[in-house]
Amino acid sequence: GQQVMQIPQYQHVQEGEDFTTYCNSSTTLSNIQWYKQRPGGHPVFLIQLVKSGEVKKQKRLTFQFGEAKKNSSLHITATQTTDVGTYFCAGPRAGAQKLVFGQGTRLTINP
Amino acid sequence: SAVISQKPSRDICQRGTSLTIQCQVDSQVTMMFWYRQQPGQSLTLIATANQGSEATYESGFVIDKFPISRPNLTFSTLTVSNMSPEDSSIYLCSVEDNVYEQYFGPGTRLTVT
Repeated sequence: GQQVMQIPQYQHVQEGEDFTTYCNSSTTLSNIQWYKQRPGGHPVFLIQLVKSGEVKKQKRLTFQFGEAKKNSSLHITATQTTDVGTYFCAGPRAGAQKLVFGQGTRLTINP
Repeated sequence: SAVISQKPSRDICQRGTSLTIQCQVDSQVTMMFWYRQQPGQSLTLIATANQGSEATYESGFVIDKFPISRPNLTFSTLTVSNMSPEDSSIYLCSVEDNVYEQYFGPGTRLTVT
């Protein structure tokens, strides 16, 4: 079945370092979304990418959608302790209005 | 974006009992989703609940175990029936605001002893 894979599973950085998580789909996606889940919290929608090669920025966060619309990345510049959490990518399941979530990348930061 | 509340926020239940989780949205929405999230894991979709029709369950989830109600466009319930320790998890409801954009409730943390 359709799979959405994320790497790495865990990432520990020093505060101020950059962080990147990668998302790969087994199928071409019409769009991809990113969510952030703080420890003890619920997933919060960050952004949706729709166009091939699209790049969007939210302050220190940069989101990219691959040219083939099968992969995506989230890059955080100069991490802060508020960036701690698990970042999930999600893509729509083929033929259904449902999402398939990646396994998530858990980011921890040493202040 | 929609504001979603869930009740209870957490519960500790005995094996063999049932728990009903409520999800309330501050606006009318067509599609509501119920997810399960094991500690440290990703989100697994249990079922999709549309008002006026039967819930659609994902592979591995059945109506007898997880009955769902969707009486109107702002409310849904998920019941976890005949619970076992393996049902210990966080249960999340979500709604779709714009196409494919989902917004989640705060979750219900369930522990079965």
